[in-house]
Amino acid sequence: AQKITQTQPGMFVQEKEAVTLDCTYDTSDPSYGLFWYKQPSSGEMIFLIYQGSYDQQNATEGRYSLNFQKARKSANLVISASQLGDSAMYFCARLGGATNKLIFGTGTLLAVQP
Amino acid sequence: DVKVTQSSRYLVKRTGEKVFLECVQDMDHENMFWYRQDPGLGLRLIYFSYDVKMKEKGDIPEGYSVSREKKERFSLILESASTNQTSMYLCASSLDYTSTDTQYFGPGTRLTVL
Repeated sequence: AQKITQTQPGMFVQEKEAVTLDCTYDTSDPSYGLFWYKQPSSGEMIFLIYQGSYDQQNATEGRYSLNFQKARKSANLVISASQLGDSAMYFCARLGGATNKLIFGTGTLLAVQP
Repeated sequence: DVKVTQSSRYLVKRTGEKVFLECVQDMDHENMFWYRQDPGLGLRLIYFSYDVKMKEKGDIPEGYSVSREKKERFSLILESASTNQTSMYLCASSLDYTSTDTQYFGPGTRLTVL
């Protein structure tokens, strides 16, 4: 099965520090997209950042950046200068394949401490 | 900004009732999706639609049906609600049917079936 693995069920980070959330994926598709979503306790799934499999550069979006290592099949999310409002569940997801289905990892719960 | 809205944030229904969950997007997106999210099981795709009046089964379509009469609206129907359908339901939409296309989510509906 083509799956997404997030090995960190939970993490703490101090406010204003950077944090890296890990994501590895399994795919045989030549073309695919990788996404990170944030889900606060309110439940809404908020899109953060996207990386295409053929993109030459790592994606960045404000305080979010993606450390994309295609050969290792990893797409780690880096959040710089953490804020209290960053406390949430974070999901890595992949889109691609015959059905073009979005496949999610199990998520990492991030807690930002003051 | 993309906006996806869902008719209710919280819903409580009785076993055997017919339940309608409504989702509306305002960005003229072609594709719409219904997921359910359960602890330990992550997000699972129920149904999706890539055009008006078109629908495709996802991973767990049993016990559900959908309707897409207008491009902006995608309804999820529980014909006879059961307690194992208690869950968080998330609607999403995306512009196009490619491996790079971002799905944008609504705020979710927490359904409890008693």
